Amino acid sequence: DAKTTQPNSMESNEEEPVHLPCNHSTISGTDYIHWYRQLPSQGPEYVIHGLTSNVNNRMASLAIAEDRKSSTLILHRATLRDAAVYYCILRDDYGQNFVFGPGTRLSVLP
Amino acid sequence: GAGVSQSPRYKVAKRGQDVALRCDPISGHVSLFWYQQALGQGPEFLTYFQNEAQLDKSGLPSDRFFAERPEGSVSTLKIQRTQQEDSAVYLCASSLDPGTDTQYFGPGTRLTVL
Repeated sequence: DAKTTQPNSMESNEEEPVHLPCNHSTISGTDYIHWYRQLPSQGPEYVIHGLTSNVNNRMASLAIAEDRKSSTLILHRATLRDAAVYYCILRDDYGQNFVFGPGTRLSVLP
Repeated sequence: GAGVSQSPRYKVAKRGQDVALRCDPISGHVSLFWYQQALGQGPEFLTYFQNEAQLDKSGLPSDRFFAERPEGSVSTLKIQRTQQEDSAVYLCASSLDPGTDTQYFGPGTRLTVL
């Protein structure tokens, strides 16, 4: 699986939007971009995923660059509950397990 | 509905003891994964089952680690002769479809080897 690069940590103020970047310059055409997050003392949970087009769901939006070498997870209004480690992962259609990196630790300030 | 459950949530073992960690996946989920997460790091893949078949065990760190899923539902990860470096959180995940489907993770078992 191709590698992703994320900042180690980010801070946000409560109720403001958060943009979490991910670089994946070696992405292949069949790689899906997945985002999971891990709240303290819990297992990772699914946030969103996409292939080429931008995606929206109730939790977040995923903006994918036109060349697919980078993507951004957007939390529209951060809450204290969004404080977590966010993982950006590439996996192709035939992949099974996820290969996690260290992720981005998001802190949300009240 | 019920998510993935794991037991025990915490386990303390003396070095050299054997431990067994249990995972109850979401009912009907074909695929089951085990991951190991050291403190401050992302989860690392250990092994993968499709129904009762163990299709990939490339991530198991040594032959002291053994996993099974005999009836294609509940899975057990066994670690023999535990060592201090085995201390970690062990996460189980299941998914309906092995390919593109979302993985649902349990809360993990925190293993501490003294």
